[in-house]
Amino acid sequence: SAVISQKPSRDICQRGTSLTIQCQVDSQVTMMFWYRQQPGQSLTLIATANQGSEATYESGFVIDKFPISRPNLTFSTLTVSNMSPEDSSIYLCSGDRGGNTEAFFGQGTRLTVV
Amino acid sequence: KQEVTQIPAALSVPEGENLVLNCSFTDSAIYNLQWFRQDPGKGLTSLLLIQSSQREQTSGRLNASLDKSSGRSTLYIAASQPGDSATYLCAVHSGGGADGLTFGKGTHLIIQP
Repeated sequence: SAVISQKPSRDICQRGTSLTIQCQVDSQVTMMFWYRQQPGQSLTLIATANQGSEATYESGFVIDKFPISRPNLTFSTLTVSNMSPEDSSIYLCSGDRGGNTEAFFGQGTRLTVV
Repeated sequence: KQEVTQIPAALSVPEGENLVLNCSFTDSAIYNLQWFRQDPGKGLTSLLLIQSSQREQTSGRLNASLDKSSGRSTLYIAASQPGDSATYLCAVHSGGGADGLTFGKGTHLIIQP
């Protein structure tokens, strides 16, 4: 599997501000995804990051709140916009090479909104 | 909508015991199933991937089985060690493999020295 470098690893932000999380993969991947893990909960898929086009969002997540970019096959960003304390979570990016290949994850970004 | 359930939610056992973690899913039309471990403050580490056509996969002391028709998977850990302490997550890949994963809530495992 490949290695994903995700940054920042953690941040404390003021409500109403925005934070951009970056993920860099050490080799090309077909698919990239963004997940959220709220305190005490499991991972929930936010969106599929499509290379060169708009991301595909899951029900309950919208582009204005979570804009995503994927300019190439190794890099993606997720922005958490106009943050509120309810956005305090761990955000993780994931990649795979399509088909029956293992999904692998970045180390996660622990976000606290105060 | 696919739902994944893991039992038990937490488990504490003495070192050396063999143990089984359970995962069930509601829609049997899956592409594959993957087991991960999550350590505090860290991301997810992939343990095993079972394709929908497979019955089991093994890696070292770990063995994962899949019964797709009944919507169940088990993760067997042999001769448990304190280093196995972590949260174990089961995730299902549906939608022909192009979609993301649906995760269970995990089993928090503690191995007592």
